[in-house]
Amino acid sequence: QVQLQESGPGLVKPSQTLSLTCTVSGGSISSGSYYWSWIRQPAGKGLEWIGRIYTSGSTNYNPSLKSRVTISVDTSKNQFSLKLSSVTAADTAVYYCARGTTVTLDFDYWGQGTLVTVSS
Amino acid sequence: QSALTQPASVSGSPGQSITISCTGTSSDVGGYNYVSWYQQHPGKAPKLMIYEVSNRPSGVSNRFSGSKSGNTASLTISGLQAEDEADYYCSSYTSSSTYVLFGGGTKLTVL
Repeated sequence: QVQLQESGPGLVKPSQTLSLTCTVSGGSISSGSYYWSWIRQPAGKGLEWIGRIYTSGSTNYNPSLKSRVTISVDTSKNQFSLKLSSVTAADTAVYYCARGTTVTLDFDYWGQGTLVTVSS
Repeated sequence: QSALTQPASVSGSPGQSITISCTGTSSDVGGYNYVSWYQQHPGKAPKLMIYEVSNRPSGVSNRFSGSKSGNTASLTISGLQAEDEADYYCSSYTSSSTYVLFGGGTKLTVL
């Protein structure tokens, strides 16, 4: 059973960089037809796709965040990471990591989510 | 690109059926059979309920079904149960540079 777990600071100051890591267990991050995504959800609001990475290193980002987002992968650690720069209060949200399937284009496994608050 | 359009809320009594709609465009919902639906209980991560418009992952009750007509996809829950009370989100592949779109979410209340 694949499991994903987000980790990182729960509080980030405005203008700084938000950094989160997702650790994948129960299977290799490099195996199968999958990509690895970050999705966020502000309190009381809907889901917003941030971006994705394939284990080849290829990435795609939401155009609305593209200038501030970097997603990377470390296959040796079975992890992938998110960096979001120049954060503001609008970036306060629960951040989820999720596994995407390249064949059916859905998200079949999700992390439990981690709340990141942007505040001084 | 705008999110997919879902009703903010729907409700039904136990045993009844409800349908949640998800409206997009020919660049997303209408153009591809890559519509998925997610159930989210408060404080929990979303759970995949339907993929490729109408397929159920292993372990998901057959009370959940999906369909699509034109630019609108639908999730139907039959034989409503109290445990079905949750938020539901649709998602679709899009040919735009956004790649993935989510709906705004629908809160299902079981009366």
